[in-house]
Order: sequence, then C-alpha cells, then structure tokens
Amino acid sequence: AQSVTQPDIHITVSEGASLELRCNYSYGATPYLFWYVQSPGQGLQLLLKYFSGDTLVQGIKGFEAEFKRSQSSFNLRKPSVHWSDAAEYFCAVVRIQGAQKLVFGQGTRLTINP
Amino acid sequence: DVKVTQSSRYLVKRTGEKVFLECVQDMDHENMFWYRQDPGLGLRLIYFSYDVKMKEKGDIPEGYSVSREKKERFSLILESASTNQTSMYLCASRPPPGDLDELFFGSGTQLSVL
Repeated sequence: AQSVTQPDIHITVSEGASLELRCNYSYGATPYLFWYVQSPGQGLQLLLKYFSGDTLVQGIKGFEAEFKRSQSSFNLRKPSVHWSDAAEYFCAVVRIQGAQKLVFGQGTRLTINP
Repeated sequence: DVKVTQSSRYLVKRTGEKVFLECVQDMDHENMFWYRQDPGLGLRLIYFSYDVKMKEKGDIPEGYSVSREKKERFSLILESASTNQTSMYLCASRPPPGDLDELFFGSGTQLSVL
C-alpha cells in the first residue's frame, strides 16, 4: 500500500539558514506527491505538488521540492528560512486503491531560531 | 477564495455524549473529507463523501459516522464519545473533477473528551 514517511519529527534551524525536510514514499508506479504546511492554529495549505514532468517543482513562499525516483524521495527545500516559516509540514501521496485519497506522513515540526 | 468553515474551534465533551462536528464549504465542491490529526501520526482519514448522501469509510471509521444531506455541509458524528477520540479534527473539500487536485482545509476543531 502507498505510504509516506517523514523521518524527522522536529527540526530547528536559524533564521536565514537553508532548510531541507525529508519525505520518503512507498509506491510501485509514478506517485502523485504533495507538500502541505500548517501554521499554528490554522488548517493545511498546499505548498506544491508533483504529478509528472520536471522533477524539480516550485511552490509558494519560496519553497521547492525535488522528486528522486531512485531514492523514493520528495524532499522539500528552501534556501533561506524566515521566522514566519515556523510551522508543521506534511508530505502526502495519493493512494490509488479504489477511490483516490491522500495519505499523509507523520509531519515535521519546524522551529526557527532568531 | 475557497472557504471551509468548521463550526467550533474548541469543544469539550463528556464520555458517552453524542457529538456533532459541522463543516461547511462555499465553493460547490463535490468531495469532502474528515481527518483527525494526532501528534506523531499525521492526518488520518476518517470518512469522505463524493456527493450528497454518499459516503465512504476511510482508514479509521470506527466510532464515527457522517452525514451529507446538502452539498455544502458535511457533518462528523461521534455516536458515544470516548477519551481516545480527543484529537484535532480537520475538514477538507476538493473541487471536481479532481482526484488529484489539492484539498482545501478548515482551521480544525480541537475536541477534548473528558
């Protein structure tokens, strides 16, 4: 069955530093992958998605993600984080079994040090 | 802008009570979803609906039911609340035709069952 693993539960980085959040998926064919962000007290907002084509995907708020089939990964990156990026980040994959549904990873909480 | 509104931000109920969580979307979306969010477990799908009066079980439907009498409203029902149902509940909707389109989330209801 399709699944998503986010190995890092909590990451702390300094403001202005680069960021990479890891996501590994388990899926036999080409996956449909998403990254969502949840700011404190808010619902989830879509950052970016990958269906096919260029493996480097640009999203909102300066984020990008790279699909690497050989590593079964879809890591999220940002060259320079801002204090407002402090949030929880979720990777998700569409599960193609019967009705198509999003399956989420466990989430990574990002803390920004001033 | 798409708006998904959950009727309560915080809710406190007693064990054994029947609990209704309401969700309304204003964009005529056909697909609606209920997830619960728990630390370290990410989001897990409880129930979803592709149309009025239509529902399908998600991954963790036990102890829950749903109602979709009108297109814009999707209700989650806890028939007899238990302490292990203390959680954050997130409603989402998705536009047609789009199994692969993004989900739009409400801000969530934090339910505490005492």
